[in-house]
Amino acid sequence: GAGVSQSPSNKVTEKGKDVELRCDPISGHTALYWYRQSLGQGLEFLIYFQGNSAPDKSGLPSDRFSAERTGGSVSTLTIQRTQQEDSAVYLCASSPRAFTSRPGELFFGEGSRLTVL
Amino acid sequence: QQPVQSPQAVILREGEDAVINCSSSKALYSVHWYRQKHGEAPVFLMILLKGGEQKGHDKISASFNEKKQQSSLYLTASQLSYSGTYFCGTESGQSDSGYSTLTFGKGTMLLVSP
Repeated sequence: GAGVSQSPSNKVTEKGKDVELRCDPISGHTALYWYRQSLGQGLEFLIYFQGNSAPDKSGLPSDRFSAERTGGSVSTLTIQRTQQEDSAVYLCASSPRAFTSRPGELFFGEGSRLTVL
Repeated sequence: QQPVQSPQAVILREGEDAVINCSSSKALYSVHWYRQKHGEAPVFLMILLKGGEQKGHDKISASFNEKKQQSSLYLTASQLSYSGTYFCGTESGQSDSGYSTLTFGKGTMLLVSP
């Protein structure tokens, strides 16, 4: 497929366990974003990658959250020692945006729904 | 800061019009509008840049007043397919590093009934 692909689509885990969420952006898109969507909270920015570097990590809610991007393509969002408040849909988006250009159209994946019991 | 959208929800009958507002406490460079249908990914509608321009997409149009730091999305003669949650995303300027990101509002849920 040509769209943004995220996996797993659903993840149920126990409190305290670590989880990894994967995002495969559209080929050639240099910019990659992670957002979190909780009920009634809209789209909460987490982190922005340009290539492999992350110029903006300001949205990561705590040091339990980390993300990396390798080869300028696939990105992994890791949540350590999950808590119930981490339950949400984690959305990834990509765009062909260059570093200092204005943000353009974002192409979103369908998200990974995380449930922490 | 997160832009504020109003109303939070609106219910329409097919053929009626609606306006969704988005306001920010910060000076804006651009406003972006997305629609998300239930269980699907958000989909891009349009971008409005500084200059007070108005854009259209079928019977959906939007305006941007940068002096008031506000944007409005206009849905005319609504169709069943317009149902979903509408998000505005605002760009408030570049950081010292030379980039900017989008901050989204909490969304406005729109339901169009037959």
